[in-house]
Amino acid sequence: AQSVTQPDIHITVSEGASLELRCNYSYGATPYLFWYVQSPGQGLQLLLKYFSGDTLVQGIKGFEAEFKRSQSSFNLRKPSVHWSDAAEYFCAPERETNAGKSTFGDGTTLTVKP
Amino acid sequence: DTAVSQTPKYLVTQMGNDKSIKCEQNLGHDTMYWYKQDSKKFLKIMFSYNNKELIINETVPNRFSPKSPDKAHLNLHINSLELGDSAVYFCASSQADPYEQYFGPGTRLTVT
Repeated sequence: AQSVTQPDIHITVSEGASLELRCNYSYGATPYLFWYVQSPGQGLQLLLKYFSGDTLVQGIKGFEAEFKRSQSSFNLRKPSVHWSDAAEYFCAPERETNAGKSTFGDGTTLTVKP
Repeated sequence: DTAVSQTPKYLVTQMGNDKSIKCEQNLGHDTMYWYKQDSKKFLKIMFSYNNKELIINETVPNRFSPKSPDKAHLNLHINSLELGDSAVYFCASSQADPYEQYFGPGTRLTVT
């Protein structure tokens, strides 16, 4: 069965520190891969996506993610976190053959300490 | 210009009532979705429409009925509301390839 795992339910980092949010998926083939962010009281917004090609993708707000086929992972990173990055982050793989049906991970809540 | 809009933003109602949530997108997308987000922030797809045709219908009580009058609108009607229906409901839209989804601001439904 297809599944996505975000192992970290809650992460706390200090402002200015680096960040890595983990995402692992279990699919028969490499899916399309998305990261979304949900700020408090808001809808989800796409941060970045991976379809093919360069395994390091850049997104908005200074985020990047690296696809590692051997580890079935698509971890999200940011070199220096800002207080405004405090939010809920969702990893969402999607199969090409079942396109339009993303399976969202359970999310990781990011808290930023001043 | 709001890309995906939902009305109302908040909805408080009593058990047993019937209510509707409306969604509109002005992005020209072919596909629209309804998601339910519970109190633990888990996001679960409920329905998906492509060009007014239902393509995804997850295990959702038949008290929930989506309706798409045209490809820019997808409404959600809920009959006989129950306490467990309390959640935030998100509408989203996407275009085929690359399938990234654009979300509305959500409708917080509270059933008392």
